[in-house]
Amino acid sequence: DQQVKQNSPSLSVQEGRISILNCDYTNSMFDYFLWYKKYPAEGPTFLISISSIKDKNEDGRFTVFLNKSAKHLSLHIVPSQPGDSAVYFCAASGGDYGGSQGNLIFGKGTKLSVKP
Amino acid sequence: NAGVTQTPKFRVLKTGQSMTLLCAQDMNHEYMYWYRQDPGMGLRLIHYSVGEGTTAKGEVPDGYNVSRLKKQNFLLGLESAAPSQTSVYFCASSYSAYGYTFGSGTRLTVV
Repeated sequence: DQQVKQNSPSLSVQEGRISILNCDYTNSMFDYFLWYKKYPAEGPTFLISISSIKDKNEDGRFTVFLNKSAKHLSLHIVPSQPGDSAVYFCAASGGDYGGSQGNLIFGKGTKLSVKP
Repeated sequence: NAGVTQTPKFRVLKTGQSMTLLCAQDMNHEYMYWYRQDPGMGLRLIHYSVGEGTTAKGEVPDGYNVSRLKKQNFLLGLESAAPSQTSVYFCASSYSAYGYTFGSGTRLTVV
């Protein structure tokens, strides 16, 4: 059973508009959440993260929101640019995963296409 | 600053053949991981290591073995390759649970 779910395999957005990527999780013990970005033929790269003690973290055009009661997080990209076109993975850590083991559980990814 | 280097980048194997994928990091990270990425499946953890000389199983360890004889290297072995092991393999290293650096991947095809 998937513990980290990204239910939208793809998303298409116009340049300059907002991109919203969603992620749901089932394990209430997760206490740290990350977003990774992946271009074709490259490894994933870290984008932004949030601890469970916060509900928002912002870094330039990227903002991650965490709703613990709903076990839901989202990544907002404003404004979206064609260079943001990539696959975005949501990941979580905590409980049986992470800590001294350092493991992350990844979602299946959402492919974002930003049209000029 | 190389970061995480994976070799080879591409490989085609015949069913039953064996091979070793090498991951090397120059950041003095304690933690190292091997993931596989398959279409529609995201990234799944195969094996990981929390320090030199240690290894542990992840979500999908069957058919793979690993070794971490030196802190900077993490090897992934396939003893008898199967078509189900056709995938893109990513190595990662981190200083904690929260700072993964990934390699650029190895695309393996088993025919």
